[in-house]
Amino acid sequence: QKEVEQNSGPLSVPEGAIASLNCTYSDRGSQSFFWYRQYSGKSPELIMFIYSNGDKEDGRFTAQLNKASQYVSLLIRDSQPSDSATYLCAVKAAGNKLTFGGGTRVLVKP
Amino acid sequence: DTGVSQDPRHKITKRGQNVTFRCDPISEHNRLYWYRQTLGQGPEFLTYFQNEAQLEKSRLLSDRFSAERPKGSFSTLEIQRTEQGDSAMYLCASRRGDRVAGPQETQYFGPGTRLLVL
Repeated sequence: QKEVEQNSGPLSVPEGAIASLNCTYSDRGSQSFFWYRQYSGKSPELIMFIYSNGDKEDGRFTAQLNKASQYVSLLIRDSQPSDSATYLCAVKAAGNKLTFGGGTRVLVKP
Repeated sequence: DTGVSQDPRHKITKRGQNVTFRCDPISEHNRLYWYRQTLGQGPEFLTYFQNEAQLEKSRLLSDRFSAERPKGSFSTLEIQRTEQGDSAMYLCASRRGDRVAGPQETQYFGPGTRLLVL
């Protein structure tokens, strides 16, 4: 079992719809959770950070964390073609490193 | 505000050659990380520095890999006797040194060095 799991996709959504991405993790000691967006050939850029159970909203993005069920999700509202990218879930446990999932590729179709 | 920079951006080398990559972190960040990313995968942790001290190394980091951060500022990653399996994007990230959970834990990535070993 991988430490951080994501559906590889592609997740195809029409423009203006909601994209829903999920991530599960295995280490119950995980403390902080990050969503990064990565365009093809580019490096990851931070979208959201969450470390408390519940929802956190930032513009069109909402991160949801449920530590009891060990999952974290990302919602993208009003999806735009520019949102087409790979979304990486990253988890920080007690140490210092981030453990990444394999990423979910999102395609937003005009 | 200057972000994380990496040099070179691309490197093509022949199998068996040595290569060295450089990372310059965000100036006030005392923690620096190296990751490796292959096509279709998420980044994998290689090693971590706090100031000049290398505090953690992944088992992925074979004896052919060495990293340094001599003055606690920039870092170098050297791969000796490169193999075709070393072909990947090498990413450097930095963050502040605060211990408490919060947005300051965020790691900021440089543009990466793409290595191709022929």
